[in-house]
Amino acid sequence: TQLLEQSPQFLSIQEGENLTVYCNSSSVFSSLQWYRQEPGEGPVLLVTVVTGGEVKKLKRLTFQFGDARKDSSLHITAAQPGDTGLYLCAGGESGYALNFGKGTSLLVTP
Amino acid sequence: GAGVSQSPSNKVTEKGKDVELRCDPISGHTALYWYRQSLGQGLEFLIYFQGNSAPDKSGLPSDRFSAERTGGSVSTLTIQRTQQEDSAVYLCASSLYRTDFYGYTFGSGTRLTVV
Repeated sequence: TQLLEQSPQFLSIQEGENLTVYCNSSSVFSSLQWYRQEPGEGPVLLVTVVTGGEVKKLKRLTFQFGDARKDSSLHITAAQPGDTGLYLCAGGESGYALNFGKGTSLLVTP
Repeated sequence: GAGVSQSPSNKVTEKGKDVELRCDPISGHTALYWYRQSLGQGLEFLIYFQGNSAPDKSGLPSDRFSAERTGGSVSTLTIQRTQQEDSAVYLCASSLYRTDFYGYTFGSGTRLTVV
């Protein structure tokens, strides 16, 4: 099993602050995905990164895949209460199910 | 349907009883997955179906757990002789082939409570 470690585990910030969460592994992945999960719902895909060094932006969210394709980061600019949720990273290899990290629980207060 | 549908949304059962959880994936998605999410834990892989290939059962925690997928569509996860440690949210997801690229669409899950 390819383990993914996410940090921090919990994060509580005020609206308008910036934050970065990390996803690290000792394994190389063909792709890495980020999901957001809200209470009572299943995770929702935010982005897939496949190329080492790749950077993708989704409005105020910036995702980066490490050059060695072992790690990734998610940066949120000017966080809003609507960003509250559990952020999960998942590493993939073709033909196998995704391995998920335990997630970063983010709370953004007004 | 437009999304992945799971039923029931909640299930309370007595210890020792059998339960069946159902997943209806997105039409045309060849891959179907079951994961389990316990409080404070990440998603634990259970089983993976890909087209007509033999399923990857490597994540099933014991022989009390089994799953089938009929006609390449609907899937049922069965837990026999439930135990309290089986209490969790069971999530189903589907995807197009090349799961590492396209990502998953998850259902809202079945919250199982064993009392």
